[in-house]
This record gives sequence, structure tokens and C-alpha cells, in this order.
Amino acid sequence: QSVLTQPPSASGTPGQRVTISCSGSTSNIGSNTVNWYQQFPGTAPKLLIYTDNHRPSGVPDRFSGSKSGTSASLAISGLQSEDEADYYCAAWDGSLNGPVFGGGTKLTVL
Amino acid sequence: QVQLQESGPGLVKPSETLSLTCTVSGASISSYYWSWIRQPPGKGLEWIGYVYYSGTTNYNPSLKSRVTISLDTSKNQFSLKLTSVTAADTAVYYCGKGWTGWFDPWGQGTLVTVSS
Repeated sequence: QSVLTQPPSASGTPGQRVTISCSGSTSNIGSNTVNWYQQFPGTAPKLLIYTDNHRPSGVPDRFSGSKSGTSASLAISGLQSEDEADYYCAAWDGSLNGPVFGGGTKLTVL
Repeated sequence: QVQLQESGPGLVKPSETLSLTCTVSGASISSYYWSWIRQPPGKGLEWIGYVYYSGTTNYNPSLKSRVTISLDTSKNQFSLKLTSVTAADTAVYYCGKGWTGWFDPWGQGTLVTVSS
């Protein structure tokens, strides 16, 4: 069972806007920044969003991150078929004294 | 451009020690924090631990008694040792730059199977 809670699945149609939630506690999301990863089958995770809402160079601005209290969200606008992947959130946890991950959300583009 | 590459045996027997190496190119290992992360087949990500060039280490409490992460600055590599492995340690093992939950980049990963 993961420290950060994500829905196991999400879906949307091309062009739609979808959001993926990540719920934590005061010891992680509530007091530290959140990062998001995109993972395609058989490949390593790739950093998608860092420190809550920053995109690394090369990540389309269709991807955005936000945080409020002990929850964070990843939003994907203008959904494309190539966005079909697994998405993970991660944050430092002060109680565990280490980073923790969400269980992952499998995004399906219908 | 920083690149990481994991290497090591793909098959380890139960009760033995899993040993992996991560070779870093494009950056000096004597800077930054370096982590190991694993992913059991079909499951999510689990942080194993990190090392800093000063020798500082920090491990996941659930694995702490079995894990050692070390640096070899002469080879620009860092390594993972996990003792007394069981089938539950079967996973793809990734190395990555970072420590707080912000990992970038990652190695391509290497599958380690624990089986007799």
C-alpha cells in the first residue's frame, strides 16, 4: 500500500482534459513539493512535473501540476493518444525521512 | 547530458546478495545525490535509498537492514547491495539522480529475478 494515494485508472477521449489526483498527508504533500512521472510500458519513468508545477524542458505545456493542502493534481489538456501511460506522483516524507511514491494511475485514451 | 546505466546479474538465488552498479556519464558523481528505486513486475515504484558524494546515505526503513549503497568516484559509479534476497525482491531496479522525490534522469532499468 503506497503512502500517496492515486486512482488506479483514468480515461479520456482525444482533445479532452483529464486530471489525476494524488492524496497524501501533512508529512509529505502538505509540507513538501510534489513531482510527477510518466512511464510507458517497458521503459523507465520520465520526469514530467517537478516542484509542484514546473515542467522540464521538452515537456509540452499540455501537462500541468497543482497542489492544495495535502493533495496534488496532474492535469493533461488536449489529450492525445500518445499520452496513454502510467503516471506516478512522488514527494519527500518527513516522517519516513525519505521520498514516497503514489501507487500509479493508468491513463487510457479512448 | 547526464546518462545513467545499470549493470549486474539478472538472476540471483534466494538468500544471496543482489549487487548492481550504476555508471554515470555527463556529470561527476562527486556532485548531487544518487538514488536506487525499484519496481516489482506490474506494480508501483519504491525508493530504496540514496548516497551523496560525502558518503552520506539514507535508506528506506523497510529495507534498511539489508541495503548498502556506496560510491566509487574513480569510476564515476555508485552501487547497490541487497542481502538475503527473496522472491519479493524480484523487480526492475533503476538508478537515478536525485533524492527528494525529484529524480532526473533515470537509468533504463535492469530486471533482477530472485529464483533458484
